[in-house]
Amino acid sequence: GQNIDQPTEMTATEGAIVQINCTYQTSGFNGLFWYQQHAGEAPTFLSYNVLDGLEEKGRFSSFLSRSKGYSYLLLKELQMKDSASYLCAVRDSNYQLIWGAGTKLIIKP
Amino acid sequence: DGGITQSPKYLFRKEGQNVTLSCEQNLNHDAMYWYRQDPGQGLRLIYYSQIVNDFQKGDIAEGYSVSREKKESFPLTVTSAQKNPTAFYLCASSSLMNSGANVLTFGAGSRLTVL
Repeated sequence: GQNIDQPTEMTATEGAIVQINCTYQTSGFNGLFWYQQHAGEAPTFLSYNVLDGLEEKGRFSSFLSRSKGYSYLLLKELQMKDSASYLCAVRDSNYQLIWGAGTKLIIKP
Repeated sequence: DGGITQSPKYLFRKEGQNVTLSCEQNLNHDAMYWYRQDPGQGLRLIYYSQIVNDFQKGDIAEGYSVSREKKESFPLTVTSAQKNPTAFYLCASSSLMNSGANVLTFGAGSRLTVL
């Protein structure tokens, strides 16, 4: 079966750096997405990786290793507003999105 | 501003009742989707539509129905046949479905509670 694994919850301190990991086993691969979702709100797009390596976008970076079925989202200079759930999703060979359960990130002052 | 509007934001239903959740987009997107989100689980696809007057079942279509009479609108009906309908429902749209870099734009969600 297809599977996306992420930690359920993580805690970090304001101003620090946090890395949220995502491992996947899917039928084919056509890209990996990270979305941010504040409680009770819509998910919003953060990043897209289809080739191996690091994609940087401001305070957020996303890394992909296709051979290892692994990605991470790196958040720098954490702010209180970064408290949210972070969803990892992989597009399989049929262009269907497979979603992880999300990682709830708690930021402490 | 372009976006997706879902309504109502909160909805209560008695057992045995059908309810319809509205989803409207003004992004000129061809593809629209309905997802269900439950605690501790990833988003699960209920139905999707790539063009007007056509839609496909997702992974958990039983107990749900949809229509796509207009490009902008993709309402979801939760029928009495859905045994566990209490959940957070998310509507989304995208420009092209069969594209690797296809980014979904989501509505704010509708929270359905069965009393």
